[in-house]
Amino acid sequence: AQSVTQLGSHVSVSEGALVLLRCNYSSSVPPYLFWYVQYPNQGLQLLLKYTSAATLVKGINGFEAEFKKSETSFHLTKPSAHMSDAAEYFCAVRANTGNQFYFGTGTSLTVIP
Amino acid sequence: GAGVSQSPSNKVTEKGKDVELRCDPISGHTALYWYRQRLGQGLEFLIYFQGNSAPDKSGLPSDRFSAERTGESVSTLTIQRTQQEDSAVYLCASSMGLAVYNEQFFGPGTRLTVL
Repeated sequence: AQSVTQLGSHVSVSEGALVLLRCNYSSSVPPYLFWYVQYPNQGLQLLLKYTSAATLVKGINGFEAEFKKSETSFHLTKPSAHMSDAAEYFCAVRANTGNQFYFGTGTSLTVIP
Repeated sequence: GAGVSQSPSNKVTEKGKDVELRCDPISGHTALYWYRQRLGQGLEFLIYFQGNSAPDKSGLPSDRFSAERTGESVSTLTIQRTQQEDSAVYLCASSMGLAVYNEQFFGPGTRLTVL
């Protein structure tokens, strides 16, 4: 079965500082991985996705994530946080068979001026 | 419309009443998902529709929950005899189809409050 673990339900960073949001997955085979962002009172929006084409994936708003098979991780990073990055971030995994997406419990990012 | 739409955006109901939530997916998207998001928690899968195939109902928490989809368009999620623990945001998402790299596009959700 697939599962996703997001370490840290709340992360605070200063404006301009590095953002690092952690995601680890459990899968017997490399899955497809996604990061979504949810702004207050809005639906989820795709940030980026890993589909095995490249281990370093660049997404929207300056975010990127690196797939590390040896660590079963897909951490999300951004070199310099902006106030507008404050939101809830969800990591999701989908097996290469089956219909379901499995979401982590989310990480709430606060950006301090 | 350009995105997934859901209605109503907010629903307040009394315990024991039935509620119906609606989702309009992106035109041409054959896959449709329903999720529940309780306060401070992640997304809980409820049900999945793909084209004319039998839906995957494995996530429905009880027989009070049901969902229908008309062809590849509108879907309704019905909760009968609502309970306070049903209070949550119900999210709908659609996807292009079976390819596993196809991401989901989410609607804004329906916030259900059961008094």
